[in-house]
Amino acid sequence: QKEVEQDPGPLSVPEGAIVSLNCTYSNSAFQYFMWYRQYSRKGPELLMYTYSSGNKEDGRFTAQVDKSSKYISLFIRDSQPSDSATYLCAMSRHPYGGSQGNLIFGKGTKLSVKP
Amino acid sequence: GAGVSQSPSNKVTEKGKDVELRCDPISGHTALYWYRQSLGQGLEFLIYFQGNSAPDKSGLPSDRFSAERTGGSVSTLTIQRTQQEDSAVYLCASSLLPGMYSNQPQHFGDGTRLSIL
Repeated sequence: QKEVEQDPGPLSVPEGAIVSLNCTYSNSAFQYFMWYRQYSRKGPELLMYTYSSGNKEDGRFTAQVDKSSKYISLFIRDSQPSDSATYLCAMSRHPYGGSQGNLIFGKGTKLSVKP
Repeated sequence: GAGVSQSPSNKVTEKGKDVELRCDPISGHTALYWYRQSLGQGLEFLIYFQGNSAPDKSGLPSDRFSAERTGGSVSTLTIQRTQQEDSAVYLCASSLLPGMYSNQPQHFGDGTRLSIL
């Protein structure tokens, strides 16, 4: 079993839909959870960052962490064509990888929002 | 300000050749990371430089891979005797000096797309 599992999609939704993206993980030591957005031929950019269990909201984006189930989610409300990208979950034992440096990434889910 | 800069953006080379990939981190960022993104495999950690400490090389897949960081700034990832399975996007990220409890996000460059013929 890989440390982080993420459905690669592709996921296609109409503009305005609510999008739900998910990752599961196996390492209970993970405390810090991130979502990155990656446009084609670009580097990943940090979208959301959460610590431990709970919810975090930023505009149209909501990140949820359920450590008891080892399950994290990203919700996008009122999705726009500009949201079309690959979404990567990432996690680590320390903030942003901390002194250990590396983040553990999911494989990414490719999202397409149709006008 | 300027972000993480990587060069070349694309590289095509023949199997067996050596390649060098370059990363210019954000000015003032003392931590630097290399990742590899293969089709269907996601991002894999390769190597991590933190200040003047010895690098964490635990993610390098073979001894054909090496990296150095000169003067605490620019880094070069070298792949010797390239194989077709080395074809991937190589991403560099940098951050302010992280610690066990500090919040220092990694900022990524746009990567070098490496194709081995």
